[in-house]
Amino acid sequence: SQQGEEDPQALSIQEGENATMNCSYKTSINNLQWYRQNSGRGLVHLILIRSNEREKHSGRLRVTLDTSKKSSSLLITASRAADTASYFCATDARAAGNKLTFGGGTRVLVKP
Amino acid sequence: DAGITQSPRHKVTETGTPVTLRCHQTENHRYMYWYRQDPGHGLRLIHYSYGVKDTDKGEVSDGYSVSRSKTEDFLLTLESATSSQTSVYFCAINPGTSGGNEQYFGPGTRLTVT
Repeated sequence: SQQGEEDPQALSIQEGENATMNCSYKTSINNLQWYRQNSGRGLVHLILIRSNEREKHSGRLRVTLDTSKKSSSLLITASRAADTASYFCATDARAAGNKLTFGGGTRVLVKP
Repeated sequence: DAGITQSPRHKVTETGTPVTLRCHQTENHRYMYWYRQDPGHGLRLIHYSYGVKDTDKGEVSDGYSVSRSKTEDFLLTLESATSSQTSVYFCAINPGTSGGNEQYFGPGTRLTVT
């Protein structure tokens, strides 16, 4: 079963708008990560947020983590056509050792 | 793709035949992983390795075996391919630099079992 579940499954926005996607998980985590996958390519690591952090920024990306609700959000600000991709959250759970568990992903389409 | 290559990149094979996929890394990282990606399931861990000859099962290991005789190579074998193993297979490494299990992925192998 998947530890992380993304919402929405798909998102379509205009260039320049912000895109927000959410991830919920079930068990205690060491950290939560977000990855991007362009069509036909491997996943690319975007950002990692540790369980004792609440917010993290990287360029146009903003990630929040609420461990009490077991949820995280990824915000992409001022989106560009090049941001069109699938985005996955992955949890590094305390009980899982050196293994990540991925959610099903959010497909983002940024229209020019 | 973080110095990770996968071969072959595409393969079509028949049900019942053995198939081996290769993952090669150039940085001698200790941890390597094999995942499969299917629509609606995200990525699911098949097997992983934490050193030469040290491997362990993941979430969906049935029907798969792995070997790691050299640090740089991690092989995934389907002993007798089935149509349910049609998927895109990704290899990943964990460089261990951040302590946070960030993983870096290869380009993937698209396998079709007919």
